[in-house]
Amino acid sequence: ETGVTQTPRHLVMGMTNKKSLKCEQHLGHNAMYWYKQSAKKPLELMFVYSLEERVENNSVPSRFSPECPNSSHLFLHLHTLQPEDSALYLCASSQALAGASVYNEQFFGPGTRLTVL
Amino acid sequence: AQKITQTQPGMFVQEKEAVTLDCTYDTSDPSYGLFWYKQPSSGEMIFLIYQGSYDQQNATEGRYSLNFQKARKSANLVISASQLGDSAMYFCALKINFGNEKLTFGTGTRLTIIP
Repeated sequence: ETGVTQTPRHLVMGMTNKKSLKCEQHLGHNAMYWYKQSAKKPLELMFVYSLEERVENNSVPSRFSPECPNSSHLFLHLHTLQPEDSALYLCASSQALAGASVYNEQFFGPGTRLTVL
Repeated sequence: AQKITQTQPGMFVQEKEAVTLDCTYDTSDPSYGLFWYKQPSSGEMIFLIYQGSYDQQNATEGRYSLNFQKARKSANLVISASQLGDSAMYFCALKINFGNEKLTFGTGTRLTIIP
């Protein structure tokens, strides 16, 4: 496997289900991200992990719970979701910024298309 | 707060023609970077090109170039000699300052190349 992979690619779940999204990066990066992409809205950053520590949580509801066990893996645990949570969930990775550099390209996975019924 | 504006929700361009996708941004931070990503129907975001706020020259990557006008706060993407495979969503994104991992994205432009 190369780049950033995400599983599953598609997920349909009921509002009472518990499921998890998985992301794995094979690029040797040390920062990982979860984004939510809804129709006609900009990508929304949900969580950032840098060096396996969560550094940003953009006021995401607690029904979304991230986990980063190591620098290569990132999970998004889902429980009691709402229909408005249906979206494409994208994972990305990069090298955490070092020194006076604003450039760090993020590499994205193909996303998980989530539908909440 | 940072903001990215992409005013063209959709564009149709004849194959082999050049196309310009507009992007304006708003930030008070003097140090920032601008990124363009392509998202085909498969969903993956593909990095295309980067422009730093202190870069003296406009960025170029193959058929992609960035028309960076700092005073106007615009960073338009130019695709030369468009191909059918260029049909996709295109997103402009802004990152500010040091040690800040956050990318702020625009709403995107859907580009369709017509044979």
